Amino acid sequence: EIVLTQSPGTLSLSPGERATLSCRASQSVSSNYLAWYQQKPGQAPRLLIYGASRRATGIPDRFSGSGSGTDFTLTISRLEPEDFAVYYCQQYGSSPLITFGQGTRLEI
Amino acid sequence: QVRLQESGPGLVKPSETLSLTCTVSGVSISSYYWSWIRQPPGKGLEWIGYIYYGGNTKYNSSLKSRVTMLVDTSKKQFSLKVNSVTAADTAVYYCARLVVGAAGGSFDFWGQGTPVTVSS
Repeated sequence: EIVLTQSPGTLSLSPGERATLSCRASQSVSSNYLAWYQQKPGQAPRLLIYGASRRATGIPDRFSGSGSGTDFTLTISRLEPEDFAVYYCQQYGSSPLITFGQGTRLEI
Repeated sequence: QVRLQESGPGLVKPSETLSLTCTVSGVSISSYYWSWIRQPPGKGLEWIGYIYYGGNTKYNSSLKSRVTMLVDTSKKQFSLKVNSVTAADTAVYYCARLVVGAAGGSFDFWGQGTPVTVSS
């Protein structure tokens, strides 16, 4: 069973800084089928990145995804105040079919 | 625009059955996979399963023996039933559209979520 481990658990940064979030899989992710989501308090998650590096519709270009195999990264180039939230990675295809990481909290 | 809306009881007694419905608007329910995901208080996301518009299902093995999903294309609704619930099933339940393609599978539209508490 594939497990996604996100690090760090909490990341403390300031607006304007660069954020780098990691998602490591316990085994290779099928065809880089990895997505990233942003979740703010009291809201549903929002899709940011799919296929490891493709931005979802309407997502600003300060968000970028990279990686392959077992190591993936979400980068936010210049943090805006609205970017402070919890971020989850999610894989598709390996058993179980869909799993999420435990999340990284990005705080000011 | 695409909208998903969960509905159902917010309180379920232990050992009983949790039943939720998701109503889809703004898009055809056909040709897509529709999923349920839950999030216990203060915790992360857990995928429960999906149903294809034709009725095919795939469940997370951790819940498989207790979960049933159905789809009603005429009403543009799909549903979730979890039987024999315990306090561990207390969570916010989300319905979402699962898009499966060349770039894998991801959830591009979500409902707002509905909280369900299991308590006597």
